[in-house]
Amino acid sequence: AQSVTQLDSQVPVFEEAPVELRCNYSSSVSVYLFWYVQYPNQGLQLLLKYLSGSTLVKGINGFEAEFNKSQTSFHLRKPSVHISDTAEYFCAVSAYGGATNKLIFGTGTLLAVQP
Amino acid sequence: EAGVAQSPRYKIIEKRQSVAFWCNPISGHATLYWYQQILGQGPKLLIQFQNNGVVDDSQLPKDRFSAERLKGVDSTLKIQPAKLEDSAVYLCASSLVQGPPDTQYFGPGTRLTVL
Repeated sequence: AQSVTQLDSQVPVFEEAPVELRCNYSSSVSVYLFWYVQYPNQGLQLLLKYLSGSTLVKGINGFEAEFNKSQTSFHLRKPSVHISDTAEYFCAVSAYGGATNKLIFGTGTLLAVQP
Repeated sequence: EAGVAQSPRYKIIEKRQSVAFWCNPISGHATLYWYQQILGQGPKLLIQFQNNGVVDDSQLPKDRFSAERLKGVDSTLKIQPAKLEDSAVYLCASSLVQGPPDTQYFGPGTRLTVL
């Protein structure tokens, strides 16, 4: 079974500052890793995903994440945030080679960008 | 390309009443998912369809929840009778193929309030 931990429920940050949203996972098998963003009253939108290969993954809107197998982490970063980045961010995993495409989500981190 | 459509967007009912949600996936997507997102939590998979067959319904409370995808396209999720703890956002997603790590595309969700 897989599980995802997002320790920070809310991250306040000033506009144009850098930000890191933390994600740790637990799994007995290899996993694929995802970050989704949810804007108010909208569905989830894929930011980026790690499947294999380079551990640094670049996504949309200037976000990137680094897969660290030894620390079982997949932290999301952005060097300079904008007001429009205010949203809920979810880290998720799915089992490599699994029969289904089931996503296991963390509890989410609210990124609150202040002017 | 049109996204995943869901209706209604909001629904308020009394406990013990029944309710149904509708989802139309992206055209050509064979796999359809229903997730439940309770306030403060990440989405949880309720059921996954491949065409009109069920792939995974292990977390669907079958005593009160049912779902169907009769023609392998749109889908309906029903709750009967509803309980207070069913208050949540119900998200529908679709993907082109069944296996991981195919990207899941999410609809805007239906927010259910049970009074």
